[in-house]
Amino acid sequence: AQSVSQHNHHVILSEAASLELGCNYSYGGTVNLFWYVQYPGQHLQLLLKYFSGDPLVKGIKGFEAEFIKSKFSFNLRKPSVQWSDTAEYFCAVKRSGGFKTIFGAGTRLFVKA
Amino acid sequence: NAGVTQTPKFRILKIGQSMTLQCTQDMNHNYMYWYRQDPGMGLKLIYYSVGAGITDKGEVPNGYNVSRSTTEDFPLRLELAAPSQTSVYFCASSSGTAPFEQYFGPGTRLTVT
Repeated sequence: AQSVSQHNHHVILSEAASLELGCNYSYGGTVNLFWYVQYPGQHLQLLLKYFSGDPLVKGIKGFEAEFIKSKFSFNLRKPSVQWSDTAEYFCAVKRSGGFKTIFGAGTRLFVKA
Repeated sequence: NAGVTQTPKFRILKIGQSMTLQCTQDMNHNYMYWYRQDPGMGLKLIYYSVGAGITDKGEVPNGYNVSRSTTEDFPLRLELAAPSQTSVYFCASSSGTAPFEQYFGPGTRLTVT
């Protein structure tokens, strides 16, 4: 069965530190990839997505992610985090042609001011 | 344009009671989804629908039922509530076309005691 693994469940960083959150998936075919973010008390919203083309995608608030097909990975990065980036981040994968999107367990990021 | 709306925001049920969680979207999306979010578990798909009159089970459908009589509405029914159904429930919708982004509602926090 298709699965999504997020390597870190909790991450604590100081402001201005660099961030990289790992995401690996198990499906071998063509996929659509997403990172969603859930700020405290809010609902999930899209951070960025990969559909096709350039494997390095840029999203809102300075986030980017790189799709490495050979590694089945879609890691999220940000060069310098801010206190306002404190949130839970979910990696998600949709098999091309399928109806369902599978979500990872999430990574809780806390940024110290 | 309200997006995806859910009611109620909070609910406490006694074991064995039933209730319906309401979900409505005004984006004319064909695809709609119900997820439950438990701490450290990410989002698990309960049911989904690809159009009015068409529904299918997700990863964790037991104890739940859905219907989709209109494009806009996708209610989730809990029969005979159990403590294991204590969770936060999110409804989401998608156009069903690239890039397949999902739009989430604000969630319903349900406690079964």
